[in-house]
Order: sequence, then C-alpha cells, then structure tokens
Amino acid sequence: QVQLVQSGAEVKKPGASVKVSCKASGYTFTSYGISWVRQAPGQGLEWMGWISAYNGNTNYAQKLQGRVTMTTDTSTSTAYMELRSLRSDDTAVYYCARIHYGDLDYWGQGTLVTVSS
Amino acid sequence: SSELTQDPAVSVALGQTVRITCQGDSLRSYYASWYQQKPGQAPVLVIYGKNNRPSGIPDRFSGSSSGNTASLTITGAQAEDEADYYCNSRDSSGNRGYVFGTGTKVTVL
Repeated sequence: QVQLVQSGAEVKKPGASVKVSCKASGYTFTSYGISWVRQAPGQGLEWMGWISAYNGNTNYAQKLQGRVTMTTDTSTSTAYMELRSLRSDDTAVYYCARIHYGDLDYWGQGTLVTVSS
Repeated sequence: SSELTQDPAVSVALGQTVRITCQGDSLRSYYASWYQQKPGQAPVLVIYGKNNRPSGIPDRFSGSSSGNTASLTITGAQAEDEADYYCNSRDSSGNRGYVFGTGTKVTVL
C-alpha cells in the first residue's frame, strides 16, 4: 500500500532553516511527483510547490521563491523540503503528498514546524 | 497567483443534501479537485477530474463544474462527513502552480 512517512516535529529559531523529509513506499517513486502543502494553526491549506521525482524539475509558489528548495533522493525514495530564513509565520504543519495527474492522492501524516525565539 | 473562494461554513441536516461551491477564474480552464480534512488529520482526496472518486470514497460525494464555479455535493450527508473541505486547481497565472480554496466547514446537524 502507498505510504508517505514524514520526519518528526521541529522547533527552530527565527532566521534558521528546517529540512523535512518524506519517505515513500508502496509504489514506483520516480513515476510520480511530490507536492508540499502547509497549514498554519487554525488556517487553510497553502500550496508550496512540487517536484518531479522523475527528473527533479520543480515549481515553487511565488511567495516562497528564494526561501524554499525541494529535492528528492531516488535511491531511498525520499523527498525533502528545506525552508530557510524562518519567520514566526512559517509555523505550520507541513504535508507532503503524491501527485497523480495533478491531484494529491496520498498524503503524509504531517510535520509540525514551530518557529519561536 | 489566482484565488479560489469558498463559503466559510455551511450546515446540513443528517441525511440531507449539501452543495459546497468554489469560485475562481482558473476554473474556467481547469477542473477542481476536492479534499476533506477532519481535525488533526491529513487531507483526503474525495473528488478529482470531471467527477471521479478515489477508491473507498462513498458515492454520496459528487463533483460538477460550470463556468468559473466548481461544486462538491454530498447527497445524504452522514455524521462522519462533518469536516473542512477544500477545492484545489491550477493557478491560471501561467506559472504551472496550484492554489487551494479558502475552505468550507461543513457541520452535520
């Protein structure tokens, strides 16, 4: 069965960076893309971007351009999302999700990232 | 980026029908997908494409689209359908990205 398992919760200081991992299993990793979505406390879903696990092509949300990098390691079927220059409003649950023809059909369990001094 | 607008909250009596709408310019060109999210859980895809349900999603969930509006209909709402619902579609600004709707809280009375 398809599973996406994310790394554990993180607490970071403003200005620091965080790197969240998303390990995929149960399907051919390079046949699908991975999208990242975040949700601030009590707020809605925010699309952050996606990466092709086939060729590494990326597309980032305009508001995160320059601060976010998405990568994959095909040898371990793992996707990564790094966010730099963290601010308090980056505090959120970060989700990875598998992309199937543009739709997010399987999701990770979420990773809480707290940015606090 | 483009925006997708949803009503913040709707309520429905148990067993009745509720329609959730999503409005945005990008919907004139692209289908919306719909996600259900219960408190403390990851979202779940319930409708994609013209009107397709992933395996395991009850057939009381259906989707439709007209002009700049996409709709998710729950026919015969059950208590377990109480959740937040989000639409999602391509960003029509040309950057190949996606955008989520503002979300609708569905309460089953």
